Amino acid sequence: GQQVMQIPQYQHVQEGEDFTTYCNSSTTLSNIQWYKQRPGGHPVFLIQLVKSGEVKKQKRLTFQFGEAKKNSSLHITATQTTDVGTYFCAGSSGTYKYIFGTGTRLKVLA
Amino acid sequence: ETGVTQTPRHLVMGMTNKKSLKCEQHLGHNAMYWYKQSAKKPLELMFVYNFKEQTENNSVPSRFSPECPNSSHLFLHLHTLQPEDSALYLCASSPLLAGITDTQYFGPGTRLTVL
Repeated sequence: GQQVMQIPQYQHVQEGEDFTTYCNSSTTLSNIQWYKQRPGGHPVFLIQLVKSGEVKKQKRLTFQFGEAKKNSSLHITATQTTDVGTYFCAGSSGTYKYIFGTGTRLKVLA
Repeated sequence: ETGVTQTPRHLVMGMTNKKSLKCEQHLGHNAMYWYKQSAKKPLELMFVYNFKEQTENNSVPSRFSPECPNSSHLFLHLHTLQPEDSALYLCASSPLLAGITDTQYFGPGTRLTVL
């Protein structure tokens, strides 16, 4: 079945450093979404990407969808302590069923 | 955020107990989901309901029994659970718009501990 892997599993960065998490699907996706889950919280939708090679920005966050629509990345510039949490990608192959990635847990050291 | 609510927030039960988790969405959405989130595991999709009809059962053991009486309410009935069923159970809803994308809104979850 479809699998969605994320790397790294954990990342500790100093405040102000950049951070990137990568998402890889075993199958071609029709679209991909990104969610953030704060410690003790629930996943919150960040963004969705649909087009091949698409790049979207939200302030310090840059999201990219690969040309082959099998991978995606989330890059955070100059991390802040408020960025702490687990970042999940979720991919769909065209149905309303989304497979969530394994997640990347980010810790930001002040 | 109060769009999707879940009760109870915490539940401790024995293996012989019967309990139910409740989820309610106030967003006018047409799809509802149950997910299981265990430590060090990705979110596992359990059940999907579209317009009150179950469209996905992801090989979930029969000791978990979902119920969706209408598009706003979703229940998960629990019976004879095992300790490995201890996890955070998340409910989500989505609008189910035409097209290929659908954004899910999650509730706060029920932290379940099975003794």
